[in-house]
Amino acid sequence: AIQMTQSPSSLSASVGDRVTITCRASQGIRNDLGWYQQKPGKAPKLLIYAASSLQSGVPSRFSGSGSGTDFTLTISSLQPEDFATYYCLQDYNYPFTFGPGTKVDIK
Amino acid sequence: QVQLQESGPGLVKPSETLSLTCTLSGGSMSGYYWSWIRQSPGKGLEWIGYISFTGTTYYNPSLESRVTISVDTSKNQFSLKLSSVTAADTALYYCTRVTGHPERIDPWGQGNLVTVSS
Repeated sequence: AIQMTQSPSSLSASVGDRVTITCRASQGIRNDLGWYQQKPGKAPKLLIYAASSLQSGVPSRFSGSGSGTDFTLTISSLQPEDFATYYCLQDYNYPFTFGPGTKVDIK
Repeated sequence: QVQLQESGPGLVKPSETLSLTCTLSGGSMSGYYWSWIRQSPGKGLEWIGYISFTGTTYYNPSLESRVTISVDTSKNQFSLKLSSVTAADTALYYCTRVTGHPERIDPWGQGNLVTVSS
């Protein structure tokens, strides 16, 4: 199975900050990558698919980039509702595999 | 609005079979894949497998020998069975819809916590 890593594992940031999370795949996955946001007690929510496509209804401050093995999720101006854990998911082949997550909390 | 809801016991004894059902409302099963994903503190998010509306299945090789996913399109339901459970199978189990090409996992059910304990 393809292994996914994320960095950092956690970060502290302030409202209005620009935040960048990276995800790396153990082999090339084209642009077959999604980003999911999970808040405590809730199911994950799709933010970005195909590495850079914004899911309908997701604010435009979220963006994704990358292809091959290295990917990035950027939040251009962190809002109070964005404090959560973020996961990347490779959907290049089965079994789909998730990264370990990046927790974003309040500085 | 498409919604998914898991149902099933929250406690299963070791060596027994875990059974969960997911009910779809507000949409059709046609044209999608329906999957189960679990989340545990020790292993994070883990893809269990999927079933298409026509009944084609794929299971994670790590669980394949113990997993069965089935679908009942007449009831807008799909189900998970995981046999010979151990404490390592204690997790929050989510049912989800997968849209293919490009792949999108959305929506997710709220999750069903299953604890394996005697």
